[in-house]
Amino acid sequence: AQKITQTQPGMFVQEKEAVTLDCTYDTSDQSYGLFWYKQPSSGEMIFLIYQGSYDEQNATEGRYSLNFQKARKSANLVISASQLGDSAMYFCAMRHYKTGNTPLVFGKGTRLSVIA
Amino acid sequence: GAVVSQHPSRVICKSGTSVKIECRSLDFQATTMFWYRQFPKKSLMLMATSNEGSKATYEQGVEKDKFLINHASLTLSTLTVTSAHPEDSSFYICSARTVLRRYGYTFGSGTRLTVV
Repeated sequence: AQKITQTQPGMFVQEKEAVTLDCTYDTSDQSYGLFWYKQPSSGEMIFLIYQGSYDEQNATEGRYSLNFQKARKSANLVISASQLGDSAMYFCAMRHYKTGNTPLVFGKGTRLSVIA
Repeated sequence: GAVVSQHPSRVICKSGTSVKIECRSLDFQATTMFWYRQFPKKSLMLMATSNEGSKATYEQGVEKDKFLINHASLTLSTLTVTSAHPEDSSFYICSARTVLRRYGYTFGSGTRLTVV
C-alpha cells in the first residue's frame, strides 16, 4: 500500500529565509507522481509543485523546489525567501499511475509558520 | 478552467438531520469524483470514489449507509450525511480528475460541517 510520511507537525521560519518540509513515501510501484499542496486556513487546496517518478531533474516552480531523492524515497519541499503569506498547512501527496482514475493519498501535513 | 464548485461552504445542522453537499464541475465533465474528510489539523482521508452512473466505491471503515454518494451526471456529485451526529462534524472536500488542470487534479473549496 502506498503511504506518505510527513514527520514535522509544525515548522517555524523567519521571513525571507528558506525552509525545507520533509516528505517520505512508500510504494512498490515504479510509476507514480508526487505532489505538494498548500492549505491556508480557508481550507482550499492550492497546488504547488509536482514530481514524476521518471523525472530526472528536480521540479521547480518559482520559490518552490522539490528535492527528489528516489533511492531514499523522499520528496522534500523547499520554499525559498519565505513570506508571511506562506503560513499554512502543507501536504505531500502521491498518486499511482494505474488504469482508471486513482486518487491522491496525502500525508499528515506540516503547519508552517512564518515569523516576521 | 477546471473549476469545481462546492456548496455549501459552511453548514450547521441538528443531530439526527441529513445534510447534502454538492460538488459541481463548471467547465468540464467529471467522470470521477473523490470525496475526502479532514478532521481539524489532520490529513485528508479518502472516503469514497464516485463514478458517473455507477455506485460509489467506499474506503474501508466508511459507512456507506451514513455517507450516501450520488454521481448521477457528469457535472454533479453529491455527498449526503444521513442522521448526522456531532462526531460527523468535519471538513469535507471533493476532488476531480481533469486534463484541464496541470497534473490532473482539481479540488472543491470544501464544506465545514458542524453538527450540534
